[in-house]
Amino acid sequence: DAGVIQSPRHEVTEMGQEVTLRCKPISGHNSLFWYRQTMMRGLELLIYFNNNVPIDDSGMPEDRFSAKMPNASFSTLKIQPSEPRDSAVYFCASSNLGQIDTQYFGPGTRLTVL
Amino acid sequence: GENVEQHPSTLSVQEGDSAVIKCTYSDSASNYFPWYKQELGKRPQLIIDIRSNVGEKKDQRIAVTLNKTAKHFSLHITETQPEDSAVYFCAASKNNAGNMLTFGGGTRLMVKP
Repeated sequence: DAGVIQSPRHEVTEMGQEVTLRCKPISGHNSLFWYRQTMMRGLELLIYFNNNVPIDDSGMPEDRFSAKMPNASFSTLKIQPSEPRDSAVYFCASSNLGQIDTQYFGPGTRLTVL
Repeated sequence: GENVEQHPSTLSVQEGDSAVIKCTYSDSASNYFPWYKQELGKRPQLIIDIRSNVGEKKDQRIAVTLNKTAKHFSLHITETQPEDSAVYFCAASKNNAGNMLTFGGGTRLMVKP
């Protein structure tokens, strides 16, 4: 299995630009999680989906952030417009709902907003 | 909701010594407790986990203990090696939370050769 796949691995953009991060969960997993990691705030859960349905988005910082999961094998996290304080590593993770199971993390996307 | 506290935030040990990281949780319904290791620039990776029906689990140099009454669990690393240097995260989850994990704040472990 290829594991969780994220793209791009690195993104450098200018303030005000739209950024789209992509995630492909492990095949057969039906829970998907988006995290943001910074030195100051640690690992923060932004939003998670069960069976493609958003369950909890209380961690999404503000309206500039949005996430979608149109099907079981693809999710996006969009930031529009981006700001320098959004610079962080964004991780996607997936797990198998229906039984207690751990989450498997993707390699992350390192976002730098200038 | 669940709250997970992790201590210490940094830990420095000499190679060959043992290291212990402790976590407490607030929700007595939590029943799954994984530990992740994150090396610099890498993703968090599961190293060991424990479910609430057991009190201890061991995998080579790593062990985890769980005290449900006191609502705390600990990671024990014996015979530490420089490659154990990383940030370690504990987490807690419960059946009806859709596999949502609540993470502790992390412990930076440094093993000095």
